[in-house]
Amino acid sequence: NAGVTQTPKFQVLKTGQSMTLQCAQDMNHEYMSWYRQDPGMGLRLIHYSVGAGITDQGEVPNGYNVSRSTTEDFPLRLLSAAPSQTSVYFCASSRDRSSYEQYFGPGTRLTVT
Amino acid sequence: AQSVTQLGSHVSVSEGALVLLRCNYSSSVPPYLFWYVQYPNQGLQLLLKYTSAATLVKGINGFEAEFKKSETSFHLTKPSAHMSDAAEYFCAVSVGGGSQGNLIFGKGTKLSVKP
Repeated sequence: NAGVTQTPKFQVLKTGQSMTLQCAQDMNHEYMSWYRQDPGMGLRLIHYSVGAGITDQGEVPNGYNVSRSTTEDFPLRLLSAAPSQTSVYFCASSRDRSSYEQYFGPGTRLTVT
Repeated sequence: AQSVTQLGSHVSVSEGALVLLRCNYSSSVPPYLFWYVQYPNQGLQLLLKYTSAATLVKGINGFEAEFKKSETSFHLTKPSAHMSDAAEYFCAVSVGGGSQGNLIFGKGTKLSVKP
């Protein structure tokens, strides 16, 4: 199993550009989530999904969209990038909503200039 | 509402010394608590979890944590630090009790190990 994979590893965007961060898992996990990590802030939940076709907002959803058309994939879209979205983004998955052991991807480091 | 406070953003210990990383939580329901470790330029890896069974929880790499309800604490310890333990450690609490699955993370404690 590859586990949780994320692409790209690094990305530089200009203010106003859009892009999609990709996340995929091959463990047939129902629950997937996106976090952003900023220095001194820990990880903050952006969006999550409890299964295909179901998504919900986390703590910091503004400026981000998600969709979940398959169990495997959970892309995160930045509609109009802003410097405040410069961060490291982590995708995670777990077997279901109550299993709690979340498996994290390696992260995407995004810089918005 | 649930929250997590990690005391000390940086902790430095000598190799072979005791490691103690502090975590206090706030929860309106019985909490599920977790410690994750992040090595440089990597994702997070689960060290251990408390899910209302034994209050002393053993994890990987010789780490353990004790759930103390009276102190609302879940401190992480390791009797003897190794150079390979240098990493950032995050305490987390589940949101909304047993059916939610979302985690609230503390701000992290960076552990340095001196030779």
